[in-house]
Amino acid sequence: GDSVTQMEGPVTLSEEAFLTINCTYTATGYPSLFWYVQYPGEGLQLLLKATKADDKGSNKGFEATYRKETTSFHLEKGSVQVSDSAVYFCALSDQGNQGGKLIFGQGTELSVKP
Amino acid sequence: DAGVIQSPRHEVTEMGQEVTLRCKPISGHDYLFWYRQTMMRGLELLIYFNNNVPIDDSGMPEDRFSAKMPNASFSTLKIQPSEPRDSAVYFCASSLRVGGETQYFGPGTRLLVL
Repeated sequence: GDSVTQMEGPVTLSEEAFLTINCTYTATGYPSLFWYVQYPGEGLQLLLKATKADDKGSNKGFEATYRKETTSFHLEKGSVQVSDSAVYFCALSDQGNQGGKLIFGQGTELSVKP
Repeated sequence: DAGVIQSPRHEVTEMGQEVTLRCKPISGHDYLFWYRQTMMRGLELLIYFNNNVPIDDSGMPEDRFSAKMPNASFSTLKIQPSEPRDSAVYFCASSLRVGGETQYFGPGTRLLVL
């Protein structure tokens, strides 16, 4: 079945460092891809998404490009801030398989130190 | 809109007791999802509804769990009897559609079963 694999955390960075969180997926159809973020004590919220190959999603300085050839959707940010400390989830939704449910990766915890 | 509303935010109960979690989705959203989050298993989809009808309950762990959606603005997740291994954060989410559509999460209910 469909699945999402993320790099393991926790990831600890200094403020203004470059961030990459790797995400790869397996899907039989043509999924949409998402990054959700969960701040401490809160629910998940959408960070960005891409619905077809080569699309780039971006928000709040974060970017991710839908790469069909490598089945990847890596999250990047050029300069992280302390306020970016959170857990980041990569997810896919495949309408043609599993009814379009969101399939989540295991999450990657990011800690940014001042 | 106030977003997805969940109650209670925290619940502490003793093994064997009945637990009822409540959710009010965003008005106009046709899909409602119940998730469970634990350190060991990550985020798991338990069940989802479309227009108040359960579509997929394959993630419901066992018969002790049940979910209802009596109308478009209210859903419950019930655990009876509760067990310590049910301790988790339970999230409700809603969306306009599935397959590429953003899901909006509530703040979650943190359940501790002693």
